[in-house]
Amino acid sequence: QQQVKQSPQSLIVQKGGISIINCAYENTAFDYFPWYQQFPGKGPALLIAIRPDVSEKKEGRFTISFNKSAKQFSLHIMDSQPGDSATYFCAASTGQGGSEKLVFGKGTKLTVNP
Amino acid sequence: ETGVTQTPRHLVMGMTNKKSLKCEQHLGHNAMYWYKQSAKKPLELMFVYSLEERVENNSVPSRFSPECPNSSHLFLHLHTLQPEDSALYLCASSQDTTGGYTFGSGTRLTVV
Repeated sequence: QQQVKQSPQSLIVQKGGISIINCAYENTAFDYFPWYQQFPGKGPALLIAIRPDVSEKKEGRFTISFNKSAKQFSLHIMDSQPGDSATYFCAASTGQGGSEKLVFGKGTKLTVNP
Repeated sequence: ETGVTQTPRHLVMGMTNKKSLKCEQHLGHNAMYWYKQSAKKPLELMFVYSLEERVENNSVPSRFSPECPNSSHLFLHLHTLQPEDSALYLCASSQDTTGGYTFGSGTRLTVV
């Protein structure tokens, strides 16, 4: 119930291409779905997030698509650049009391070739 | 200083040693977290502190002992660790109404 399943484990894309990472969840109580980007030697950094009242959110080249009925959400990176090479984590949470505890996917290592 | 700061960045310790990891947040958040990140494993939540009280302990072995003296500081005290405890330990903070976590850069721990 608490799992978030992320795929693929790794992804190689050519510069200028579209990178797509998918996540699926079971817990219908989840109401916050962020994506985190992690570069080697750094902690994860919040990239973009969505709540289930919208089906899509776009910030620059990054778009989250959300399908509530399928319990799936995905990250699309348009015009992928070598600087986007990093590990991406999807996550989900429910607000409980004074803290919100995120459940993370296993991560996708993205490599964008020049 | 801004964001979430973790020290030390790297730590090598023997199995009989006692050491502490430190985390400090300058964001005015009211919740702080310890995560463990190992190769080929998802981020594992270890401890959650909300308003300086521990609200969750995810079945973490007693050789890991957290301490939250105030809303800006979080410690992880380590003793008699095992080699399998070698990992990146990440601290994060959040404001409970937003759900967005801010992570520190982590402490790379190696147990020898």
